[in-house]
Amino acid sequence: LAKTTQPISMDSYEGQEVNITCSHNNIATNDYITWYQQFPSQGPRFIIQGYKTKVTNEVASLFIPADRKSSTLSLPRVSLSDTAVYYCLVGPDDMRFGAGTRLTVKP
Amino acid sequence: EAGVVQSPRYKIIEKKQPVAFWCNPISGHNTLYWYRQNLGQGPELLIRYENEEAVDDSQLPKDRFSAERLKGVDSTLKIQPAELGDSAVYLCASALGGARGTEAFFGQGTRLTVV
Repeated sequence: LAKTTQPISMDSYEGQEVNITCSHNNIATNDYITWYQQFPSQGPRFIIQGYKTKVTNEVASLFIPADRKSSTLSLPRVSLSDTAVYYCLVGPDDMRFGAGTRLTVKP
Repeated sequence: EAGVVQSPRYKIIEKKQPVAFWCNPISGHNTLYWYRQNLGQGPELLIRYENEEAVDDSQLPKDRFSAERLKGVDSTLKIQPAELGDSAVYLCASALGGARGTEAFFGQGTRLTVV
């Protein structure tokens, strides 16, 4: 049983805000939520991590509701260079990736 | 500070031949991961080390794959013999470890082509 569920793909335009939601209905008390970004021909890169409420860094924001059964990665004002695959992972150290969400940013 | 270093970047071998991949993690990182990634798919975890101990190798095809992490630093992943279906990108990642959610750092990967 997959620990997370994400949309397979999303399209957006430059300058828009993009929200990618991840479902993790069976999240455990000690699980953190972590998002990675992967460009073609590169390894995944850590974007952001959170446990509850909201986390913001220079790249993105992560919104986690009180029940923690889902989370939303928010990318403000995307550019063409944000075209990538985004992965949501849950766990203290369970680094198992799903298929991710392929985001395509169009001009 | 140098990131995770993998070598070689590319490897082409004939089926039934052996192949090895090398990974040098970030200094001080106790946790090391090996992944296999096929085109269009997410990375598949093969093995996770905590220091020199393999704590999760449930996804490693043990009939032909082996891995070691000597002295809890560098690691080698080997395939013997290679099959056509082993063609993929092999990624290594390292992390400080611990109970908190993991921020792992990935290498550039080794692209293996088996012909």
